[in-house]
Amino acid sequence: DAGITQSPRYKITETGRQVTLMCHQTWSHSYMFWYRQDLGHGLRLIYYSAAADITDKGEVPDGYVVSRSKTENFPLTLESATRSQTSVYFCASSESPYNQPQHFGDGTRLSIL
Amino acid sequence: RKEVEQDPGPFNVPEGATVAFNCTYSNSASQSFFWYRQDCRKEPKLLMSVYSSGNEDGRFTAQLNRASQYISLLIRDSKLSDSATYLCVVIVTSGTYKYIFGTGTRLKVLA
Repeated sequence: DAGITQSPRYKITETGRQVTLMCHQTWSHSYMFWYRQDLGHGLRLIYYSAAADITDKGEVPDGYVVSRSKTENFPLTLESATRSQTSVYFCASSESPYNQPQHFGDGTRLSIL
Repeated sequence: RKEVEQDPGPFNVPEGATVAFNCTYSNSASQSFFWYRQDCRKEPKLLMSVYSSGNEDGRFTAQLNRASQYISLLIRDSKLSDSATYLCVVIVTSGTYKYIFGTGTRLKVLA
């Protein structure tokens, strides 16, 4: 049972480049989420998706784009990376957002030089 | 005021000690509650849900106090392996839903 997987685990890129972080889940959960975690800020929601082709902004969406053409995949794209987007990115999924826990992938450590 | 607040710690306790953390929330529409554990920048992992009547899982006990709007996590007989950051999560469901993470309480269990 693979659960939820993220790729790549580590990524170094330069400012201005486009970079896509992948997230894949095998549970058929309807809801998927992208968070970033920085020291002193805890987890901050970037975008979430309630189902295929339904996405919505979270707390810190600027500079990010998401898509969800298939239930199992929820890629996050940084269109033009900036140093402030250096962070650890976690993808999560949930059967229901109202009363079920979220389950996390093991994260992508992204450094933007 | 933050919607979910936790004492950041660190709580330094000797092995075998009992330690308790609280997490306060401000929104009375909060409906579901969880405790997660996070090791050093790894992914948060679900530790346990928190039920109204309180619940126990081995050495861990979670309780909810709706009147005072806080949840608690009690760890008995602390192990070195319990050293981690403990995040509380509150789901608010008024209108739309919000899944709110606390910033975590750091626990260090000392030999």
